[in-house]
Order: sequence, then C-alpha cells, then structure tokens
Amino acid sequence: KQEVTQIPAALSVPEGENLVLNCSFTDSAIYNLQWFRQDPGKGLTSLLLIQSSQREQTSGRLNASLDKSSGRSTLYIAASQPGDSATYLCAENAGGTSYGKLTFGQGTILTVHP
Amino acid sequence: NAGVTQTPKFRVLKTGQSMTLLCAQDMNHEYMYWYRQDPGMGLRLIHYSVGEGTTAKGEVPDGYNVSRLKKQNFLLGLESAAPSQTSVYFCASTPQWYSNQPQHFGDGTRLSIL
Repeated sequence: KQEVTQIPAALSVPEGENLVLNCSFTDSAIYNLQWFRQDPGKGLTSLLLIQSSQREQTSGRLNASLDKSSGRSTLYIAASQPGDSATYLCAENAGGTSYGKLTFGQGTILTVHP
Repeated sequence: NAGVTQTPKFRVLKTGQSMTLLCAQDMNHEYMYWYRQDPGMGLRLIHYSVGEGTTAKGEVPDGYNVSRLKKQNFLLGLESAAPSQTSVYFCASTPQWYSNQPQHFGDGTRLSIL
C-alpha cells in the first residue's frame, strides 16, 4: 500500500523567507507527483506536477523536485509572502492499474506572517 | 469554463437519511474521483470512474454508492447516513490517468450527519 508523508505538519515563517516543504513516498514506481494548495474552506488548486522522468518543475516562486530513488519530493517557495499562507498537499500517482488515483499526504500548514 | 462543480456546498442530515452529491465537469474528462477529507486522515478515495458507465471502489467505499450515467456527471450517494460520514467530500477529474495532467478539484461539499 502506498504511503505519503509530509514534514513538517505545520510551519510558521516571517515574510520574505525561503522555505522547503518535504514529501516522502513509498512507491518507487511513481508515475507522477503532484503538489496542491488548499485555502481554508476551499478545494485543492494544482501547483506543480512532476513526471517520473523529470527531476524538477518550476512555476514562478515555486520549485518542486523529485528523487525517485530516495522516495522524496520537495517544494521550495522563494521569498514567501502572507498570501502563501495555506495548506500544501503532495500526492502520488502510481500510474498503471491505479488509474490515476492519488495517494495524499496529510499536508503542511504554512503561515507566513508580515 | 466552470471546471468541476459540486452541489450542494453544505448539507446537514439526520442519521439514517439518504442523499446524493452531484459532481459535474465541463472539460470532457474521462476519469472522475470522489474523495473525503477528514482531520488527521487526509484525503481518501471513496470511488472512481474511468469512463461513462463505469465505477470502481477506492480505499473507503463502504456506505457509499456511485453512478456515472453521463460522462460529465459523477454522483455519490449515501444510502443511510451515519455520523462517521460527517466529512468534506471532494470530486476531481482528469483526462486520462496517463495524461500527466493534474487532477482538477471542485470546492467540496461539507456534510454533517447528526
């Protein structure tokens, strides 16, 4: 059974800091790894998707990396802003007969204070 | 382009009542999923569909039924609601599991069972 773990569970930083969120997964045959953002009372918004053949993806101030051999992904947020405050979720897509089903971590609650 | 729309957004039920949650997507996606999100448990897959007329069980299917009579709609039914089904329910869709496109999520249905 696939398992996804996110560390830390919560993080509070001052505005302007660079920060790293960690995600570990047990299935080395991962098809892709997805990072989502969830604001309170809202649905999930896709941030980045890294295919198994890729090492990293970038979007603006966000950079996500993937290391299949160690079963780890990191989400790097540069120059954090109060608007980045949200819960960040990573999810593994094992591909094949999993039919795109995602296995989620429990998330990291990020607070960026002015 | 509305994306994934869930109705209703909120609902309170009494134990033993039944109801149906509706998910509609306008992106012509083949695959659709129902997840539930609970504190400390993360998101867990209830049922999913790989195309019109198909359904399959996910991780936590007991107490729920689903139907996909039309490609754009995926219905989740609670036959006899129980307090343990109090949760936030999310619907998601994706073109194909191998498309390497992220899942698109609705804003959720917040369901309380008294």
